[in-house]
Amino acid sequence: DGGITQSPKYLFRKEGQNVTLSCEQNLNHDAMYWYRQDPGQGLRLIYYSQIVNDFQKGDIAEGYSVSREKKESFPLTVTSAQKNPTAFYLCASSIGSYSNTEAFFGQGTRLTVV
Amino acid sequence: AQSVTQLDSQVPVFEEAPVELRCNYSSSVSVYLFWYVQYPNQGLQLLLKYLSGSTLVESINGFEAEFNKSQTSFHLRKPSVHISDTAEYFCAVSPRNTGKLIFGQGTTLQVKP
Repeated sequence: DGGITQSPKYLFRKEGQNVTLSCEQNLNHDAMYWYRQDPGQGLRLIYYSQIVNDFQKGDIAEGYSVSREKKESFPLTVTSAQKNPTAFYLCASSIGSYSNTEAFFGQGTRLTVV
Repeated sequence: AQSVTQLDSQVPVFEEAPVELRCNYSSSVSVYLFWYVQYPNQGLQLLLKYLSGSTLVESINGFEAEFNKSQTSFHLRKPSVHISDTAEYFCAVSPRNTGKLIFGQGTTLQVKP
């Protein structure tokens, strides 16, 4: 089945630690995105990538980093510089960022700082 | 810059009643418009989209939305809701040729028996 796989589903992090969230897609999509979801705030764009080896900051990139070494993979690292990392993180992909088609979403990773 | 405002954070409604979830947007450029649905602890699923052409778009499960350019709105409606429609609904806009999706704050639809 084609789709987007995020892992793990639940993640716990101690304060001061970096943690990496995985996102893999087998849809052959060029564009991939990371969003953060907090109650009552909708989805906010962290980073997006239009093509392999290229990515751009979204609206709330501070404290996060990404890489796009392979077309199918777009991991997100939440660094210790992110002051309030507890949230639900969603990865998405689309055929191309200059296309008018919709984005497909993974099932999300819930990160909790303990 | 673009922004999306969903005017109601929660909408309680009885089963088989009609419902409207309101969405207004602002943009200085042309946009594509989307409604997504999210069930608890899951990702988002596309419900319907407006790209061009007829301003009324429909989904396979009975929802419809109408693009109103003069009022910059894209309200979602369903004539008769089911318990299974209980979920959070997000309106989103995408400025043309950017691929960016900008979301509203979400509206929780609570369908009561």
